[in-house]
Amino acid sequence: DSGVTQTPKHLITATGQRVTLRCSPRSGDLSVYWYQQSLDQGLQFLIQYYNGEERAKGNILERFSAQQFPDLHSELNLSSLELGDSALYFCASSSPLGGSTEAFFGQGTRLTVV
Amino acid sequence: GDSVTQMEGPVTLSEEAFLTINCTYTATGYPSLFWYVQYPGEGLQLLLKATKADDKGSNKGFEATYRKETTSFHLEKGSVQVSDSAVYFCALSGRAGGSQGNLIFGKGTKLSVKP
Repeated sequence: DSGVTQTPKHLITATGQRVTLRCSPRSGDLSVYWYQQSLDQGLQFLIQYYNGEERAKGNILERFSAQQFPDLHSELNLSSLELGDSALYFCASSSPLGGSTEAFFGQGTRLTVV
Repeated sequence: GDSVTQMEGPVTLSEEAFLTINCTYTATGYPSLFWYVQYPGEGLQLLLKATKADDKGSNKGFEATYRKETTSFHLEKGSVQVSDSAVYFCALSGRAGGSQGNLIFGKGTKLSVKP
């Protein structure tokens, strides 16, 4: 158990809809990262938050947004969903900032858009 | 931009065989390098890491050496077990928006070990 909790584990929704994925980081970790894993794109970094503030952006679509709350949990909002958004979405946490710091991953949320 | 290239899978080996999964990278500066493993239905777990040139990371019989001259971080294990069957990802610590910490992953290599 990595200590990172993601909910829900599975989500099935229709095109055009909006969903929210939730992540609780490990106790004490200030950084939260979101990744998307799909068959064609592999694992892609989406966005990072550190102590409530956006820290870095990767290949995140404009239809997607995220935030980190004062209790350090994070939510990833996906809107106007398309079939191609079907993927496994991972959250990871680490602390402190730094390139050598290990990131701990949750078990992921599998999103299926139908 | 920074990138990671790892050998395509799947790789199928017999138990006790020697394993090598090749990984090369392109990066500015001196990134940290990682191998993560993903067992079926689970998230990614850090297998080993190296933070500077010539460092060797090791864990559970797996090893990888950070080779700056060849920009490589190949994963090796002398004798694989059925329980090693998983997908292995090579990664480096990237820089996006000026911040380190986010990871750039290779496409993953699926390993199947037969008894």
